Amino acid sequence: EVQLLESGGGLVQPDGSLRLSCAASGFTFSSSGMSWVRQAPGKGLEWVSGVSGSGGTSYYADSVKGRFTISRDNSKDTLYLQMNSLRAEDTAVYYCAKGGGSYTMDVWGQGTTVTVSS
Amino acid sequence: QSVLTQPPSVSAAPGQKVTISCSGSSSNIGNNYVSWYQHLPGTAPKLLIYESNKRPSGIPDRFSGSKSGTSATLGITGLQTGDEADYYCGTWDSSLSAWVFGGGTKLTVL
Repeated sequence: EVQLLESGGGLVQPDGSLRLSCAASGFTFSSSGMSWVRQAPGKGLEWVSGVSGSGGTSYYADSVKGRFTISRDNSKDTLYLQMNSLRAEDTAVYYCAKGGGSYTMDVWGQGTTVTVSS
Repeated sequence: QSVLTQPPSVSAAPGQKVTISCSGSSSNIGNNYVSWYQHLPGTAPKLLIYESNKRPSGIPDRFSGSKSGTSATLGITGLQTGDEADYYCGTWDSSLSAWVFGGGTKLTVL
């Protein structure tokens, strides 16, 4: 069974940093692109970032470009999202998803909550 | 303002049929496959339709997808109270090099 488990969320002050992790199992992780998607309170789904299976290509939403960095460790079957210079508007539930790019995001994790507040 | 446009809400009675539209442009829907997701806030979004009209294993055939030009449609027949959720369309935008979602449609089964 394909499973994705996010961790690393929490309360952080504005301008602070946080690193999210997503542990994958049940599929060949290195063969799959991966993505991060978030949902702010009362808002819809917003794609944040995606990375190719090798990690060599990554994409970012304009809202996070220059502040967030997506990466992966294929030896650990784990996806990461390093979030710097956090703002109140980054407050959201962050989901990792298998797929992205021109491929569908077919399996999603349960999400981890990030709250940016002083 | 979302790149893809969906109606904010739709409603219908149990047993009836509903359609949810998703409008985009040539850089997204017009040249890429569309996916549809069912989402209850706080839970994992669930893939209902991929490659515009295909259902993953386990998704009942009450759910269907279609695409024409720069628009896509999700159809749900035999509505059940358990279908009440938010529904999102999504696809890759080749010009933005970004995945884009519609703003979401809240389905109410009256």
